[in-house]
Amino acid sequence: QKEVEQNSGPLSVPEGAIASLNCTYSDRGSQSFFWYRQYSGKSPELIMSIYSNGDKEDGRFTAQLNKASQYVSLLIRDSQPSDSATYLCAVNRAQAGTALIFGKGTTLSVSS
Amino acid sequence: DGGITQSPKYLFRKEGQNVTLSCEQNLNHDAMYWYRQDPGQGLRLIYYSQIVNDFQKGDIAEGYSVSREKKESFPLTVTSAQKNPTAFYLCASRAATQRGYGYTFGSGTRLTVV
Repeated sequence: QKEVEQNSGPLSVPEGAIASLNCTYSDRGSQSFFWYRQYSGKSPELIMSIYSNGDKEDGRFTAQLNKASQYVSLLIRDSQPSDSATYLCAVNRAQAGTALIFGKGTTLSVSS
Repeated sequence: DGGITQSPKYLFRKEGQNVTLSCEQNLNHDAMYWYRQDPGQGLRLIYYSQIVNDFQKGDIAEGYSVSREKKESFPLTVTSAQKNPTAFYLCASRAATQRGYGYTFGSGTRLTVV
């Protein structure tokens, strides 16, 4: 089982729709969970972090965490063409201090 | 402005040659990290350092070496033992932002074997 798994996509949604991205992780000791956005050829940028079970909202983004199911998701409301990018899920490895382990990413395409 | 600077942006390596990628931060962060990204892939951890003069191997450390003599600097050497070094290399440091304790990344170095 891979440590952090994401569907590679592409996930295609029309402009204005809700995009839902999912991530599962294997290390039950993980405590910190992050979503990064990466545009082609660029470095990742942090868009959301979540540490507790439940939902966390920031503007158009909502992160959801369910530690019992080892599941993290990211919802993007009112999707815009500028949201088209690869979204990386990252989880801290409990035995490696602050080191983050990344999934392979889900490519999102928002059509206008 | 505070940030992480990686240099060079593009680097070409001949077979059997060692090359060093620079990573400098002025954020006063203790922890720094090196990742490798291949096309269509996520980031894989090469080495990380939680404090000056200490570092740990990540998942793909073979063929790489690092040093952490100063808090601001965490250079990565790609040795001739790394058989497939062509990739996008990303350096990061641990940041406390309004969104939580995520990483800040540098702009990356794209290494190509010629």
